[in-house]
Amino acid sequence: EVQLVESGGGLVQPGGSLRLSCAASGFPFREYYMDWVRQAPGKGLEWVSRVRKETNSYTTEYAASVKGRFSISRDDSKNSVHLQMNSLKSEDTAVYYCTRAPSNGFFDYWGQGILVTVSS
Amino acid sequence: DIQMTQSPSTLSASIGDRVTITCRASQSISTWVAWYQQKPGKAPKLLIYKPSSLESGVPSRFSGSGSGTEFTLTISSLQPDDFATYYCQQYTGYPLTFGGGTKVEIK
Repeated sequence: EVQLVESGGGLVQPGGSLRLSCAASGFPFREYYMDWVRQAPGKGLEWVSRVRKETNSYTTEYAASVKGRFSISRDDSKNSVHLQMNSLKSEDTAVYYCTRAPSNGFFDYWGQGILVTVSS
Repeated sequence: DIQMTQSPSTLSASIGDRVTITCRASQSISTWVAWYQQKPGKAPKLLIYKPSSLESGVPSRFSGSGSGTEFTLTISSLQPDDFATYYCQQYTGYPLTFGGGTKVEIK
C-alpha cells in the first residue's frame, strides 16, 4: 500500500523557517518524481515544487511564489522528500501535501497533508 | 503561465443526475489534463488523467474528454459519495496549475 506521511508543520513567525518532511513507503520511491502541493484555508490547490528522480539528475522546479525561498530535496536511501521553507510569509499559510508523480506530471497519490501557519 | 478556468464554480444536483464540469485552458495543452476529487478535510484523489484514462479503482460513472483547450469531467449518474469539490490540472508545462474548483452540492 502506498503511503506518504508528512511531518514538520506547525506555527512559525513571519520571516522564519520550517522544514517539512515526507516519509514514503509501499512503492519503488526512486522511480518517481515527488512534489509538494499546498492549499490555503478555504482556497484551491497550488503546486509548489517538484524534484525529479536520479535518472533526471534530481532536477527541481518551483512555483514563482516560492522560488528563492523554498528548497526541495530527496533522500532515496531513506525514501523521503523534504521541503525547506525560509523567509516565510503569511501567504504561505496552508495545508501542504506530499504527492507522488509519475513522470508525466499528474499526482497519483497524496499524503494526508500537514498544516503550516505563518503568524505573529 | 497556463490558466485553467473551471465552470461552474458551484453545481447543485440530485442523485441520479448526469453532471458535467468544464475546464478551459488559456492555451493548448494537448491531452495533458487530470481531474481530482476532494472531500472536506481530506486530500485530493486522482480520478482521471490524459484526459480520459480512469485511475484504478475509480467508478466507471466518471469519464473525461477533450483536447487542446476544452476538457470535461462527466459523472453519468450522481451518487451520494460524489458530493465533493472537483479540480482539473494541466501538466504540459511549469508551473503546473489547477483550476479553481467546482463544488458539487446536493440539490
